[in-house]
Amino acid sequence: NAGVTQTPKFRVLKTGQSMTLLCAQDMNHEYMYWYRQDPGMGLRLIHYSVGEGTTAKGEVPDGYNVSRLKKQNFLLGLESAAPSQTSVYFCASSYSRSRVGGVIGETQYFGPGTRLLVL
Amino acid sequence: GENVEQHPSTLSVQEGDSAVIKCTYSDSASNYFPWYKQELGKRPQLIIDIRSNVGEKKDQRIAVTLNKTAKHFSLHITETQPEDSAVYFCAASRGHSSASKIIFGSGTRLSIRP
Repeated sequence: NAGVTQTPKFRVLKTGQSMTLLCAQDMNHEYMYWYRQDPGMGLRLIHYSVGEGTTAKGEVPDGYNVSRLKKQNFLLGLESAAPSQTSVYFCASSYSRSRVGGVIGETQYFGPGTRLLVL
Repeated sequence: GENVEQHPSTLSVQEGDSAVIKCTYSDSASNYFPWYKQELGKRPQLIIDIRSNVGEKKDQRIAVTLNKTAKHFSLHITETQPEDSAVYFCAASRGHSSASKIIFGSGTRLSIRP
């Protein structure tokens, strides 16, 4: 059971180049998320998915696209990289806990992160 | 929009002393409050969480308290040890019922002095 994995671990891009970050989870989680982490700003949500074939925008979606073609995979794409996208990217997944009266919350499991440098 | 404020941004305590990190949230519909610990170069990992129907939860040296009226919640670490040195993030969420997401605080860098 690998949990949440991310590829690549590190990448250097030139401004304008494109790339795709891959997140995979083997825990059969419904929900998946992409965050970026910048110094002093915590974790900011880029996009998320509540199930296969569905995605939604988070707090900072501009410049990124995502796809969830398979339940276990969540891809983050940068079509035209900019220096402002230099960051550490974390993927996370979660299941939902439910009880009578509705869903009450979830625990997120994070991947190891991808360090991206855009020159 | 919703936000979570976390204080202090840095905290240094003597080994063996207690550490307290405080957070406030703006969305009164939040019902789930996790705390994550992130060691240098590692991924964030959940250390404790609390739900809105509980005022306090404890797990060994770690405790979390929640005041829903004031929209405050806090992390308490007692008898601190060197391995407690890390960045700690609080977060708040409505849960999946509204297909919402977790909003994280900006983090507290905790250093334990020997």
